[in-house]
Amino acid sequence: GENVEQHPSTLSVQEGDSAVIKCTYSDSASNYFPWYKQELGKRPQLIIDIRSNVGEKKDQRIAVTLNKTAKHFSLHITETQPEDSAVYFCAATLPMAGTALIFGKGTTLSVSS
Amino acid sequence: GAVVSQHPSWVICKSGTSVKIECRSLDFQATTMFWYRQFPKQSLMLMATSNEGSKATYEQGVEKDKFLINHASLTLSTLTVTSAHPEDSSFYICSAREGRTPGAQPQHFGDGTRLSIL
Repeated sequence: GENVEQHPSTLSVQEGDSAVIKCTYSDSASNYFPWYKQELGKRPQLIIDIRSNVGEKKDQRIAVTLNKTAKHFSLHITETQPEDSAVYFCAATLPMAGTALIFGKGTTLSVSS
Repeated sequence: GAVVSQHPSWVICKSGTSVKIECRSLDFQATTMFWYRQFPKQSLMLMATSNEGSKATYEQGVEKDKFLINHASLTLSTLTVTSAHPEDSSFYICSAREGRTPGAQPQHFGDGTRLSIL
């Protein structure tokens, strides 16, 4: 089955700096890689996703890159703000109908002003 | 769009009680829903995949007689924790996958249910 590793587990940055979170996956058949942001006690919210036929995707201050050969993908947040502080989860899923997401262990991002 | 409603948001009950949690897709049809469990400061662990009109698929280590899942319609899945004990206390979250077509589709999460068993 799929296994997703996420690093680092905690990340502290100054406001305005960039933050990078990296994930690796084990199953080369995985083709969908979403990133979720979860604030304390709340639902995970999809912030960006990428499919295996794309190498990079950007949405304002957030970008995701995917390296299929190396089986890793990364989340990049630029110009961080205190409200970016949360737990971020990467996930991967297999290309079959109804396949669940396999989550990484999460990264707690703290942005100090 | 793509709103998932989960109810109740918080349950406190005595040991031995059965608790039912509902997960509804409000503005889309979800042939597949998922149930996750999350312990404090940990990741989401998949418990089971709920398919409309058929039996749920449980992950290894999850007792299907303990966690009963019913997905009777395209917009509703329920998780019943039977004879709950303190060790069942956790944050339970459902998600729903858009569309019927195979392949990767976004999943949208409910608000979660915090279950506390005394």
